[in-house]
Amino acid sequence: RKEVEQDPGPFNVPEGATVAFNCTYSNSASQSFFWYRQDCRKEPKLLMSVYSSGNEDGRFTAQLNRASQYISLLIRDSKLSDSATYLCVVGHNDMRFGAGTRLTVKP
Amino acid sequence: GAVVSQHPSWVICKSGTSVKIECRSLDFQATTMFWYRQFPKQSLMLMATSNEGSKATYEQGVEKDKFLINHASLTLSTLTVTSAHPEDSSFYICSAENQETQYFGPGTRLLVL
Repeated sequence: RKEVEQDPGPFNVPEGATVAFNCTYSNSASQSFFWYRQDCRKEPKLLMSVYSSGNEDGRFTAQLNRASQYISLLIRDSKLSDSATYLCVVGHNDMRFGAGTRLTVKP
Repeated sequence: GAVVSQHPSWVICKSGTSVKIECRSLDFQATTMFWYRQFPKQSLMLMATSNEGSKATYEQGVEKDKFLINHASLTLSTLTVTSAHPEDSSFYICSAENQETQYFGPGTRLLVL
């Protein structure tokens, strides 16, 4: 089993749609969780950290379920500029990257 | 499928020595691999794009003579940090491209004393 697993997609959604990505991780001792955004062949950039209580940043909401070892990212009111690959990352000093979920937002 | 390994996972070395890090795609062939570096509390930074059979493309500010990249086969790219110094201490991570998706390795933590 991979340490971090994501649905690779692709997700093709219209502008304005709400889309959710899921990620599962295998190491129950993990303490740090992040969502990164990666544009084509660019370095991944931190989108948001994921906190135990769940957290929101504008149109983006991240949630963590430790019992199920599951992380989610919800994007509301999708914009064309949200088209990218979203990477789930677990760990801090010893980061493990998921393979990413590709999102395409269409007009 | 689509597993990428890195070796070693941890390196501690003396200043002035050279360190080689290997990045392997275990179950697919990758004509393109990427090398990233992450300093504490900073995001990943792309260092270079490694293309099988040709010279690597370095990002601005990355010294190609200091960070030697060799992509001699479709499953292996190596990054050699030459004459490493304490400021080179960082987390180095590679990714390999397969069908337009990048798969990341587990990273190599380098500590130069």
